[in-house]
Amino acid sequence: EVQLVQSGAEVKKPGESLKISCKNSGDSFSSYWIGWVRQMPGKGLEWMGIIYLGDSDTRYSPSFQGQVTISADKSNSTAYLQWSSLQASDTAMYYCARYYYDSSGYYLSNWFDPWGQGTLVTVSS
Amino acid sequence: SSELTQDPAVSVALGQTVRITCQGDSLRSYYASWYQQKPGQAPVLVIYGKNNRPSEIPDRFSGSSSGNTASLTITGAQAEDEADYYCNSRDSSGNPLVLFGGGTKVTVL
Repeated sequence: EVQLVQSGAEVKKPGESLKISCKNSGDSFSSYWIGWVRQMPGKGLEWMGIIYLGDSDTRYSPSFQGQVTISADKSNSTAYLQWSSLQASDTAMYYCARYYYDSSGYYLSNWFDPWGQGTLVTVSS
Repeated sequence: SSELTQDPAVSVALGQTVRITCQGDSLRSYYASWYQQKPGQAPVLVIYGKNNRPSEIPDRFSGSSSGNTASLTITGAQAEDEADYYCNSRDSSGNPLVLFGGGTKVTVL
């Protein structure tokens, strides 16, 4: 059974840097996509980006391009989400999830499954 | 346009049927996937592809699509189905690549 385990909650000050992690376990595949999703307090899900663990090919949402960095360590089956200078508006729950894309049918499809437990990031002075 | 639109909230009587909709241009080319999120928990995939359910999801959940609208139907809603539901698709233009709807709060009365 595939599981994604995320790093623990973080409390940071504005201007500080941060790197959170998402470790994949439970299967032998070495090449797959992992996505990151933000959920601000009381709000909906926002797609941030996806990374392919095989070669670190990364795609960002325009809303997050330049604001965060997504990276991966294939040998450790781990994806990362990083900020160089946090702002109070980065306070949110961040989820990672395995991302799938199917283009075999007439209609195309994509989905996220499973999801990590989430990492709560709090930025406050 | 690059967005998926959901009704903010719907309610359903216990044991009745509720349909949650998701509208967007990308749904003319892509199936929607659907996620259930209960308070304080991570989202859980309930429907993907044409109408596929992960093995742990009850068969009272089903998906369908017509034109630019995707639907998630709960047939015989249970108290434990009270949650937020989000749809997800790719964007036909590829920018952004992935879309989420704003979510629908389902209340079981």
